[in-house]
Amino acid sequence: EPEVTQTPSHQVTQMGQEVILRCVPISNHLYFYWYRQILGQKVEFLVSFYNNEISEKSEIFDDQFSVERPDGSNFTLKIRSTKLEDSAMYFCASSASGRSGTEAFFGQGTRLTVV
Amino acid sequence: GQNIDQPTEMTATEGAIVQINCTYQTSGFNGLFWYQQHAGEAPTFLSYNVLDGLEEKGRFSSFLSRSKGYSYLLLKELQMKDSASYLCAVRPSPGNTPLVFGKGTRLSVIA
Repeated sequence: EPEVTQTPSHQVTQMGQEVILRCVPISNHLYFYWYRQILGQKVEFLVSFYNNEISEKSEIFDDQFSVERPDGSNFTLKIRSTKLEDSAMYFCASSASGRSGTEAFFGQGTRLTVV
Repeated sequence: GQNIDQPTEMTATEGAIVQINCTYQTSGFNGLFWYQQHAGEAPTFLSYNVLDGLEEKGRFSSFLSRSKGYSYLLLKELQMKDSASYLCAVRPSPGNTPLVFGKGTRLSVIA
């Protein structure tokens, strides 16, 4: 069964360092997302991406964050200068169509720990 | 603002039935999703409701009342592997737009 894959599964980084989280969405999907989940809290939307551009972003997604689809398969989230409060599980998701009822398929997540 | 409320924790016995409630107040409504999330893993899709009524899928059913801003997930014939968090999420805007999640209900199934 097709799945969204994310690498690495766990990343530890020092405060102020740049990190890039990588995702390979399901191959025929057109809509891509990043969500995050701070330990013990709810899943929060960061950004959505369609047709090679950001379609929507939340207040969390400030200038320190960027996304890119560098080739036909990868979808990356970059955090330019990490802060302690960026420690969270980051989930990539993708979905197939633009209909409201289309479910998002989530990857296994990258656990980011900023020290 | 967007607000989605679920109970924090529930416990139920193997073989029993459990109902997990979700109430929402959102800027718009274009469907409600239930996801299952085992500890440390990705959320996986369970169900989608956009019209009032009950949607049944095997041991899992989901109900929606738009006028009351209310949904529930019903799990029958509980198994130990059903121990997980159950996330209620609403899509406020039309199209394939971001989901707003509740905090999730952690369900423990005991023997």
